Amino acid sequence: DTAVSQTPKYLVTQMGNDKSIKCEQNLGHDTMYWYKQDSKKFLKIMFSYNNKELIINETVPNRFSPKSPDKAHLNLHINSLELGDSAVYFCASSQDRSSGQVRDTEAFFGQGTRLTVV
Amino acid sequence: AQSVTQPDIHITVSEGASLELRCNYSYGATPYLFWYVQSPGQGLQLLLKYFSGDTLVQGIKGFEAEFKRSQSSFNLRKPSVHWSDAAEYFCAVARWGNTGKLIFGQGTTLQVKP
Repeated sequence: DTAVSQTPKYLVTQMGNDKSIKCEQNLGHDTMYWYKQDSKKFLKIMFSYNNKELIINETVPNRFSPKSPDKAHLNLHINSLELGDSAVYFCASSQDRSSGQVRDTEAFFGQGTRLTVV
Repeated sequence: AQSVTQPDIHITVSEGASLELRCNYSYGATPYLFWYVQSPGQGLQLLLKYFSGDTLVQGIKGFEAEFKRSQSSFNLRKPSVHWSDAAEYFCAVARWGNTGKLIFGQGTTLQVKP
């Protein structure tokens, strides 16, 4: 059973389109994240949600909007796609003591979604 | 500012040879430390982590890493590399209570020669 799953794995779309990437975790974690990996393979956090509430919003264009219908899901919606949005997007989840748990756990990552904007 | 540096962008080793990947960090307090591996077209898999305690940590696939506070380093080692170890390796830091908010290094690409 996959711990953190993302769909789709590949996404090719034209500039100006709107697209969504879905993420689900079955680990029972309270916190979920979106990371972006650019063409140089550099990884940077975009958003973090804890129990459906946004707690981290790094400097990301407001064309990117995360949505968390419940604590097991964190979707990423991107409006008006641009060429520079082409990247691999990773979803992740973790369980932290800040959530009232006994111990911290490491972050578990999904397989990534390779977005190509043409 | 918090940061992670992996000085080696690309490393090539022969199969069976030993490996050491370097990682240095800049952080206000003792961080949590991680090494993740990314195989081609794959997601990120945790190799090992340091939260506290013994500064020499063992991970999966025969990897180990040593936390050296005085040097702000967390270098990854493996005594004998296998061809399947060819991948991208990322060192990362996080703080207590927020292990998913990771600051990553630039990554080191490992190539293994037969």
